[in-house]
Amino acid sequence: EDQVTQSPEALRLQEGESSSLNCSYTVSGLRGLFWYRQDPGKGPEFLFTLYSAGEEKEKERLKATLTKKESFLHITAPKPEDSATYLCAVLLRAGNNRKLIWGLGTSLAVNP
Amino acid sequence: EAQVTQNPRYLITVTGKKLTVTCSQNMNHEYMSWYRQDPGLGLRQIYYSMNVEVTDKGDVPEGYKVSRKEKRNFPLILESPSPNQTSLYFCASRYSGGGNQPQHFGDGTRLSIL
Repeated sequence: EDQVTQSPEALRLQEGESSSLNCSYTVSGLRGLFWYRQDPGKGPEFLFTLYSAGEEKEKERLKATLTKKESFLHITAPKPEDSATYLCAVLLRAGNNRKLIWGLGTSLAVNP
Repeated sequence: EAQVTQNPRYLITVTGKKLTVTCSQNMNHEYMSWYRQDPGLGLRQIYYSMNVEVTDKGDVPEGYKVSRKEKRNFPLILESPSPNQTSLYFCASRYSGGGNQPQHFGDGTRLSIL
């Protein structure tokens, strides 16, 4: 069964304390992996797309990496405004179509 | 400003009273989709539309209807709402092309069915 698991469920960091969020997947026919950020009362906001193992993308304090089994979202020297829920979603081949499977997210709180 | 607009943002209603949640996008996207988000279950797709007059079921379509008469609008219809449809709903849109285009989401509609 295709599955996407994010860990930890929740993470609390001090401002400046770097860490990583994990998105592991067991799917067949990976076509891409997305990272989104979701603030309370808002819809998910797109961050990155990764397509193949070894690929990396960066944006400000965030860096996303991809292996054949998992993706990491590294947060370097986080600030309180980085507090949000981070969602990953895996795009896989489903017959002639594509299917998106979402993880449950990691809730990140950064204390000043 | 590029955006997906949902209305209403909040709605409390009663079982069996038909309701419609509207969704409009101004990015000329071909693909539009509806999701519900529930604690412990994450985002689940209800229906999607590849283009005007083309709609298809997602993972949890029971109890919902959609229509796509215009490219920019994709309303979600609950003909006879029930309490198990109490949830946070999101509309999303993207360009077509293999599914690897990122989706743009609205800010959500919180529905409570009593």
